[in-house]
Amino acid sequence: NAGVTQTPKFQVLKTGQSMTLQCAQDMNHEYMSWYRQDPGMGLRLIHYSVGAGITDQGEVPNGYNVSRSTTEDFPLRLLSAAPSQTSVYFCASSYVGGKNTDTQYFGPGTRLTVL
Amino acid sequence: AQSVTQLGSHVSVSEGALVLLRCNYSSSVPPYLFWYVQYPNQGLQLLLKYTSAATLVKGINGFEAEFKKSETSFHLTKPSAHMSDAAEYFCAVSGGGGGNKLTFGTGTQLKVEL
Repeated sequence: NAGVTQTPKFQVLKTGQSMTLQCAQDMNHEYMSWYRQDPGMGLRLIHYSVGAGITDQGEVPNGYNVSRSTTEDFPLRLLSAAPSQTSVYFCASSYVGGKNTDTQYFGPGTRLTVL
Repeated sequence: AQSVTQLGSHVSVSEGALVLLRCNYSSSVPPYLFWYVQYPNQGLQLLLKYTSAATLVKGINGFEAEFKKSETSFHLTKPSAHMSDAAEYFCAVSGGGGGNKLTFGTGTQLKVEL
């Protein structure tokens, strides 16, 4: 299994540009989520999904959109990038229910810089 | 609502010394608690988790943590630090019972010195 994969690893954007961060998992996990990591702030939840066609907002959703058309993929869209969105973004996935509930598996991250 | 407080953003220990990283939580429901480790330029890796079974939880790389409900704590320990333990450590809490949303602490950077 590849686990959780994220592309790209690095990205530089100009203010106002849009882009999509890709996330895929091959573990048949129902739950997927996006976090951003900023120095001194830990990881904060942006959006999450409990299954295909179902998404919901986390702690810091503004400026980001998500969709979940398949179990495997959970892309994160920045509609109009702002310098405040400079961060490291992590995708994570997990089962829902059973003994592995809540053990989230993380991707390697995407380091985004917005100029 | 749930929250996590990690005391000490930076902890430095000598190689071979005890490692103690502190985590206190707040949760309105019985919590699931986690410790994750992040090595430089990598994602997060699960060290251990508490899911309402044994209160002393053993994880990978010789780490363990004890759930103390009366103190709302879940401190991470390792008897003897190794240079390879240098990393950032995150404590996290979820609602448990199938609630997957994780709330993370702000992290503790562990430095191991010779």
